[in-house]
Amino acid sequence: QVQLQESGPGLLKPSETLSLSCAVSGYSINNNNYWVWTRQLPGRGLEWIGTIFHTGSTYYNPSLESRVTISVDTSRNQFSLKLSSVTAADTAVYYCVRHKQFSYGDYWGQGTLVTVSS
Amino acid sequence: QSALTQPASVSGSPGQSITISCTGTSSDVGGYNSVSWYQLHPGKAPKLVIYEVSNRPSGISSRFSGSKSGDTASLTISGLQAEDETDYYCSSFTTSSTLVFGGGTKLTVL
Repeated sequence: QVQLQESGPGLLKPSETLSLSCAVSGYSINNNNYWVWTRQLPGRGLEWIGTIFHTGSTYYNPSLESRVTISVDTSRNQFSLKLSSVTAADTAVYYCVRHKQFSYGDYWGQGTLVTVSS
Repeated sequence: QSALTQPASVSGSPGQSITISCTGTSSDVGGYNSVSWYQLHPGKAPKLVIYEVSNRPSGISSRFSGSKSGDTASLTISGLQAEDETDYYCSSFTTSSTLVFGGGTKLTVL
């Protein structure tokens, strides 16, 4: 049973860096899949943040690319998200997701709410 | 990249069928058989209900089906049930090797 669990601070101040980790259990992160961060903005729906392949290749949303870094730690079977210079517009529920193929996510974490407020 | 276009809301009575459209361009929906649909219940993780236009994951009811014509994909739910009332989102792979979501559709079961 594949399970993903997000962790990280739930409250940030503007200009800080958001750092989240996603622990994967029941499945090796080294397998031939894609690992994704997606967020749900309040009242505005889902937004893809970025994807990392197990080889380390990354793909980012062009609107966030200048602020985003996604990385994989195979020794800990987890992957991470860093989003710099956050503003209130980055307040959202952040999900880590396994994508069996690039285009679709079949296993989702429960999501973690990150609030940006001064 | 622009969000895919979905109707803000659709509704239907129990037992009826409804269809939710998802319109993009030849650079996303129309260019690839890589459209997915997700069901979002409040407070729960999104659930994949259709992948690669028309495939159902294991455990998803056969009442859910997907199709595509040109730049528009569709999700059809037949035999509507009260439990189907929630938000639905489409997504697509794009020529830029990115993913784009639709704006979401709220389904109301009357």
